[in-house]
Formats: sequence, structure tokens, C-alpha cells
Amino acid sequence: EAGVTQFPSHSVIEKGQTVTLRCDPISGHDNLYWYRRVMGKEIKFLLHFVKESKQDESGMPNNRFLAERTGGTYSTLKVQPAELEDSGVYFCASSPGQGAYEQYFGPGTRLTVT
Amino acid sequence: QKEVEQDPGPLSVPEGAIVSLNCTYSNSAFQYFMWYRQYSRKGPELLMYTYSSGNKEDGRFTAQVDKSSKYISLFIRDSQPSDSATYLCAMSRWNDYKLSFGAGTTVTVRA
Repeated sequence: EAGVTQFPSHSVIEKGQTVTLRCDPISGHDNLYWYRRVMGKEIKFLLHFVKESKQDESGMPNNRFLAERTGGTYSTLKVQPAELEDSGVYFCASSPGQGAYEQYFGPGTRLTVT
Repeated sequence: QKEVEQDPGPLSVPEGAIVSLNCTYSNSAFQYFMWYRQYSRKGPELLMYTYSSGNKEDGRFTAQVDKSSKYISLFIRDSQPSDSATYLCAMSRWNDYKLSFGAGTTVTVRA
């Protein structure tokens, strides 16, 4: 069974540019989550999808971040325009149910904004 | 105050030693307590989880939760070089999917 995959693995962009991160969850997992870890900080929750619906966006830092999950399959996280403080590692996780202990994490996308 | 505090280390031990990791937390509503292992350039991988208080053992790994002290621990017995990784504690409230992570402790097991 393939795990959670994320693309790209690393992205370097300039301040003000746009970047789109992609996550492919484990097949059959209705729940998809985005987390991020900025330098020196803990991994923090960003948002949660159930199928194609956003259930919880409480962790999204501001309106420069837009997440979508088309058809309840893969998800994208767009940052527009990127700021220096957006640098960090963005993790995607998926789960079959909503138990906190059921989440499988992807390898992350390392975003560097210069 | 952070919700979850975890000593970042680093921790270096010889092969075969017992590794002791711990986290403290401030939110008494946390009911699920997880330990993740993360290798370099990889995502967190769940090692084990505990619901409420008590101990749980899985092979060389033992997780302990003391809710009265808001303190959790992970012990790794007979540590191996392959155990070298960052270990993250994470917690959640009852019926909640949002994980609150500690900062992670980097462990190196020397051969």
C-alpha cells in the first residue's frame, strides 16, 4: 500500500511569489490534514478535510494560504504571496477515521522563501 | 506557556542503553498521547499511543502516562543505532483529531 506522498520535496521561491504544494493521501482515506513546522518550532495543525469539504481551518495563519481538495482525492496548499515567515516544512497526513492516533504522515515539503 | 514541552536534546547514548524521553503538558483535556519517530527528511511515524493514564509496552518500547502530573514518557530498551532519530510526543483531546506536538528530541545511539 502506497503511503502519503507530497510534491515537491523542496521548493525555493522568492518573497512575493506563489507556491503550490500537493498531497496525495493513502487511497480510501477520507480525512486529510495539513500541518507545518517553522524553524525551531513545533509541528502545528493547519486544517482538516473530510472528503472534499473543509472541516476545520482554525490553524491557517492568514488568507494568503488557500487549501483545496478536488473530488476528495489529492489536496493542494497554495501560498500567495509567500512571505519569509512561511518558510518551514509542510506535512500532509491522512486517516481513515478521525482518531488522532490514525494519522499517517507524508515526508513533507520543505519550503524556503528568500 | 506552550501546551506541550519537550526537551530538544540532543541525547547521545551507547548501543544497548535505555533511552528515556519525556514530555509535560498543560492542557488537562488531553486524553490521547502519541509518540512518533521521525528520521531525517521523512515524516513522523507513529510508534505507539496511549489513551488516558497507564503504561503500554510494545517490544522494546514502553510508554507511560501520568495524568495527575501531566507527564508522559517513552522508554527504549536495548537501544540500537537504527533507533537514532527525532522522537516527537503529541497529544489530543477526546474525540479530537488535532494533534499538539512537542518540539521533538533528537536521539543518537552510538555503535
